[in-house]
Amino acid sequence: AQKITQTQPGMFVQEKEAVTLDCTYDTSDPSYGLFWYKQPSSGEMIFLIYQGSYDQQNATEGRYSLNFQKARKSANLVISASQLGDSAMYFCAMRGIMNYGGSQGNLIFGKGTKLSVKP
Amino acid sequence: GAGVSQSPSNKVTEKGKDVELRCDPISGHTALYWYRQSLGQGLEFLIYFQGNSAPDKSGLPSDRFSAERTGGSVSTLTIQRTQQEDSAVYLCASSLSGQPSYEQYFGPGTRLTVT
Repeated sequence: AQKITQTQPGMFVQEKEAVTLDCTYDTSDPSYGLFWYKQPSSGEMIFLIYQGSYDQQNATEGRYSLNFQKARKSANLVISASQLGDSAMYFCAMRGIMNYGGSQGNLIFGKGTKLSVKP
Repeated sequence: GAGVSQSPSNKVTEKGKDVELRCDPISGHTALYWYRQSLGQGLEFLIYFQGNSAPDKSGLPSDRFSAERTGGSVSTLTIQRTQQEDSAVYLCASSLSGQPSYEQYFGPGTRLTVT
């Protein structure tokens, strides 16, 4: 079965500092995608960054980067130069191409990490 | 361009009543998903539509839940004989394709409260 684990229910970071949000995953799928989403208090899920399982380089999108370690099955999100607007829930998610114990196509989500940025 | 829209944004209903939740995906997106997010929880997959294929209903929690997608666009999630445990935010998402590399774009959600 596919599973996403986020072990940090809550994190604090000082404004302008970098923060790493942990994510580990488990899958038997030979090919998969890893995603991070941000959910502010408004409730909408905002796509941040994507990493393919066969991508050679770690994904980056502006202040977001994904520290992908395939052998360790980890896909940590790094946010550089934190801003007050980064305070939100962050969800790690995975999606495979094969139907190993789950649906093809849908995202499997972790339980999320609540990030609070202090001024 | 327009994103995923959902209606209503909030719905309060009495236990035992039926409710319908609507989702308008992004134009041209062939894949459409329904998820449920209960208080303090992550997202739980409900159902997935891809093009004209039969929907994947493996995430539906009971036979009180059903969904349809008309004309490959708008989708309606129906919950019959609502129970208090159905209270949650129901999120709809769409993506250009069902392939793993395509991100899903989420709507604002419908907050359902069953009293």
